[in-house]
Amino acid sequence: AQSVTQLGSHVSVSEGALVLLRCNYSSSVPPYLFWYVQYPNQGLQLLLKYTTGATLVKGINGFEAEFKKSETSFHLTKPSAHMSDAAEYFCAVTPGGFQKLVFGTGTRLLVSP
Amino acid sequence: SAVISQKPSRDICQRGTSLTIQCQVDSQVTMMFWYRQQPGQSLTLIATANQGSEATYESGFVIDKFPISRPNLTFSTLTVSNMSPEDSSIYLCSVTGWGIGDNEQFFGPGTRLTVL
Repeated sequence: AQSVTQLGSHVSVSEGALVLLRCNYSSSVPPYLFWYVQYPNQGLQLLLKYTTGATLVKGINGFEAEFKKSETSFHLTKPSAHMSDAAEYFCAVTPGGFQKLVFGTGTRLLVSP
Repeated sequence: SAVISQKPSRDICQRGTSLTIQCQVDSQVTMMFWYRQQPGQSLTLIATANQGSEATYESGFVIDKFPISRPNLTFSTLTVSNMSPEDSSIYLCSVTGWGIGDNEQFFGPGTRLTVL
């Protein structure tokens, strides 16, 4: 079975500050890991993914995440927050083989001027 | 990637009625899924829509309440039957499969359902 834990239902940062959203996973097999973003009243958009290979992955809008197997983590970061980054962020895991995604509970990012 | 559309985008329904949601993809896909996102919550998988056979439901979801069809590799429907206010949610379809990515899923824009 797989599971995802996102620490912090809400994260508040100032514009220009570092963004750090935490994700820890549990998986009995090598995982495929994803971060999705959901803007108000919209569907989910893929930010970035880790499948195999390089453990530091870069995504859209300046976000990146690092897969750390020893820590079972896949934290999302962005060096400098922008007002437009305010949204809900979901971490998700799958064992691969085009199986279902298991989502974390989500973290709402608030960006203040 | 894949471009996914859903109809309707939103609806307000009366208790006891049923609503059918359509999901259309611009290319043939291996897997189609239906998720529910209750207000302020994360996504929960309802079922996997299987082409040419019965859908595979997750624990807590049953066919009588959420019948699903998938007549071909680009289209699926989810029906929410005998609705109650607790069914008020966003319903999203997603797709994945060979040729459209490496196990990531692409999501439709969602159907926002309110049951009165």
